[in-house]
Amino acid sequence: QVQLQQSGPLLVKPSQTLSVTCAISGDSVSSDTVAWNWIRQSPSRGLEWLGRIYFRSKWYSDYAISVKSRIAINPDTSSQFSLQLNSVTPEDTAVYYCAREKGALDIWGQGTMVTVSS
Amino acid sequence: QSVLTQPASVSGSPGQSITISCTGISSGIGVFNYVSWFQQHPDKAPKLIIFDVSNRPSGISNRFSGSKSGNTASLTISGLQAEDEADYFCTSYGTSTFYVFGTGTKVTVL
Repeated sequence: QVQLQQSGPLLVKPSQTLSVTCAISGDSVSSDTVAWNWIRQSPSRGLEWLGRIYFRSKWYSDYAISVKSRIAINPDTSSQFSLQLNSVTPEDTAVYYCAREKGALDIWGQGTMVTVSS
Repeated sequence: QSVLTQPASVSGSPGQSITISCTGISSGIGVFNYVSWFQQHPDKAPKLIIFDVSNRPSGISNRFSGSKSGNTASLTISGLQAEDEADYFCTSYGTSTFYVFGTGTKVTVL
């Protein structure tokens, strides 16, 4: 049974970098049949896909145009991947979710509340 | 950021059927057979209930069904139960991003 466990809530100051990790159990970040996504949800913006990584003999990444200049998703270990978003503003305040994509976004983490405030 | 439009709320009595629409003119709904639906209870992560327009993951009740016509996808919940009270979101491929999500529909069981 695949499960995703995310790191805890964050308070980040404007202009700094947000970092959230997602620990995978029951699967591998380098599996060649899945992709690993980050999605965020806020009352003002709803659900917003941010990006994904996947391994097909080498690593690939795709990012949403809205955050492409300041986002990085990386495989940390065989069982963990992370999201970094730099130059954050209060608009980046949201619940951040990691999700496995195996044909569809079938497994989600529990969510990490990130607040951007001075 | 949502480009898929859903009704804000839908309600029904126990045992009734309800249908939630998901419309996206500039999305991939009309092009790809990729539409998913998610159920989200308060303070919980979204849960996949329909994928590829009309398929149910293992363990999802057959009271949930999906369909698509043109640029509109639909989720039908039959035999409405109290536990179905939740928010529901659709998703599809976007034209400028990989995934776009719906605006969300709050289902109330009367």
